[in-house]
Amino acid sequence: QVQLQESGPGLVKPSETLSLTCTVSGGSISSYYWSWIRQPPGKGLEWIGYIYYSGSTNYNPSLKSRVTISVDTSKNQFSLKLSSVTAADTAVYYCARHILRVGATTGWFDPWGQGTLVTVSS
Amino acid sequence: DIQMTQSPSSLSASVGDRVTITCRASQSISSYLNWYQQKPGKAPKLLIYAASSLQSGVPSRFSGSGSGTDFTLTISSLQPEDFATYYCQQSYSTLLFTFGPGTKVDIK
Repeated sequence: QVQLQESGPGLVKPSETLSLTCTVSGGSISSYYWSWIRQPPGKGLEWIGYIYYSGSTNYNPSLKSRVTISVDTSKNQFSLKLSSVTAADTAVYYCARHILRVGATTGWFDPWGQGTLVTVSS
Repeated sequence: DIQMTQSPSSLSASVGDRVTITCRASQSISSYLNWYQQKPGKAPKLLIYAASSLQSGVPSRFSGSGSGTDFTLTISSLQPEDFATYYCQQSYSTLLFTFGPGTKVDIK
């Protein structure tokens, strides 16, 4: 059974870069898409972007200029970098497997990591 | 962008009640609609994918229907563990995946 676990600093200063890693266990990162999703405290869910195991990416246009998602298949990990953060980037960040196949009715997220709260504050 | 709306935003119900939550897309999304349950402090959990397919391990009291722009999530007999917030998500636009604002189901 595939499990995901986010890791990284819980506190980031304004204007700096948020960096998180998601470790996939119980299965291979290969042959799947993997996404980052965030949820500000008390608010709804926002998709940040995905990466395919081969390295191709797609980002939310509203965040595209600040986001980089990368993958390390040798470690079964993928990572998120969000630059120039502000208080508006304070959120619980989730990683998730993204079931996505061209030409098929897909696109859901399953499973999800437990989430990690990142606070942007000086 | 495809905007998702949900109604109601919250509801109060009793154990055993039949509960229906509606999700509407700003344009037709065929059956590219997924439902999630989120409990406080926990990650969302996939309930329904492709509008009406029940995810493995999810109780059969959950069901989904709809296509085009209008979708519903139904809980046939609400159980104590079903009190949570429910989100819909469209996957028609593979450039931007979007979620509805959520529907909170609490105890009457």
